[in-house]
Amino acid sequence: GESVGLHLPTLSVQEGDNSIINCAYSNSASDYFIWYKQESGKGPQFIIDIRSNMDKRQGQRVTVLLNKTVKHLSLQIAATQPGDSAVYFCAENLRTGGFKTIFGAGTRLFVKA
Amino acid sequence: ETGVTQTPRHLVMGMTNKKSLKCEQHLGHNAMYWYKQSAKKPLELMFVYSLEERVENNSVPSRFSPECPNSSHLFLHLHTLQPEDSALYLCASSQALGGGGGNTIYFGEGSWLTVV
Repeated sequence: GESVGLHLPTLSVQEGDNSIINCAYSNSASDYFIWYKQESGKGPQFIIDIRSNMDKRQGQRVTVLLNKTVKHLSLQIAATQPGDSAVYFCAENLRTGGFKTIFGAGTRLFVKA
Repeated sequence: ETGVTQTPRHLVMGMTNKKSLKCEQHLGHNAMYWYKQSAKKPLELMFVYSLEERVENNSVPSRFSPECPNSSHLFLHLHTLQPEDSALYLCASSQALGGGGGNTIYFGEGSWLTVV
């Protein structure tokens, strides 16, 4: 089936610690997996994506890991800051039957000072 | 500032009203989208336009009517809505259809709709 889901609805971390947000997907016909950040009162903002033929991609303070064997995606945020507090969505871009980007339910990240 | 501007930011309408949401993108993109975001639900894709042609309609009720007069503007016309249609409506655009790999989907700030 086509579904993208998140393991945890909320995550609370101490400022300065690393955060790991997980996501499970069920469709193998995706060419990209994408992470978005949504702050309160704003629209989702692109963070990083990874092509389906890659296992890891790094950005500024963020790393995305893709495990196709278990259909698992994770976003790692290094040295989490208060400004990282937001809802994080994973999404997969399907290329079968036309265009479709499916979003997960979202994980709310709380950063404690 | 994402380059995608939505107006109005907030809208309260009665069930018999007719209103419209407007979206404008300043990114030179060719694809535009309407998404619905409800509390505790994933983002739901409503409509997709590519080069002003509708390419996807995800079983959206006819009380929602999109219009794309050119590649920079997208409207969502609302008529006889139900209270359960209250949500955040997000407009987005990308260079070409799809998301990821250079076709990043950029979202506007959204229009908060309350149907009373």
